[in-house]
Amino acid sequence: AQKITQTQPGMFVQEKEAVTLDCTYDTSDPSYGLFWYKQPSSGEMIFLIYQGSYDQQNATEGRYSLNFQKARKSANLVISASQLGDSAMYFCAMREAGNQFYFGTGTSLTVIP
Amino acid sequence: DTEVTQTPKHLVMGMTNKKSLKCEQHMGHRAMYWYKQKAKKPPELMFVYSYEKLSINESVPSRFSPECPNSSLLNLHLHALQPEDSALYLCASSQVGVRSTDTQYFGPGTRLTVL
Repeated sequence: AQKITQTQPGMFVQEKEAVTLDCTYDTSDPSYGLFWYKQPSSGEMIFLIYQGSYDQQNATEGRYSLNFQKARKSANLVISASQLGDSAMYFCAMREAGNQFYFGTGTSLTVIP
Repeated sequence: DTEVTQTPKHLVMGMTNKKSLKCEQHMGHRAMYWYKQKAKKPPELMFVYSYEKLSINESVPSRFSPECPNSSLLNLHLHALQPEDSALYLCASSQVGVRSTDTQYFGPGTRLTVL
């Protein structure tokens, strides 16, 4: 079974609007971390935001927030007030105990002026 | 400082060449990773080093040979590559996985083209 599922291959959003990128995960470990990365066309993977399985509150980092619904095993990324520079691939990832990170297939976000 | 550096940025090599990719981090991380990534696809794990020892090898062909000379450096030696090995090669580092909460940081990548 896939550890991380991203069901939106491509998304479009109007500049200044908010957008939600979906991510569901599968694990039986009680302790895990969920991460979102942004990859512009330049190729660099940029860490955006992290959520721990024991965290009671949803993580926020500037315009990024993570909508963590533990019972549903979902960790959606919300980008508020989209900017043209937000156009990129976005990857959801999970880490259980150990050194391996599991990545989803990614969502390509295009911000329309 | 959350910087991971990689050299070179771009590399073009023939199928008979030998070349090396280099990665360096100074965050005190003791886990280092090599990933291969094709366009519009997620990164594929190749190797993981933990405390300078190879801990994960994802059945990578022997034409890729990793090396971790010390806790800050990671090399990937390339020999007799195939055109299908053309890809973006990403290096990353993190704390060793005692806690699942530790973030992985990536370098800018090396774009490899095999002719």
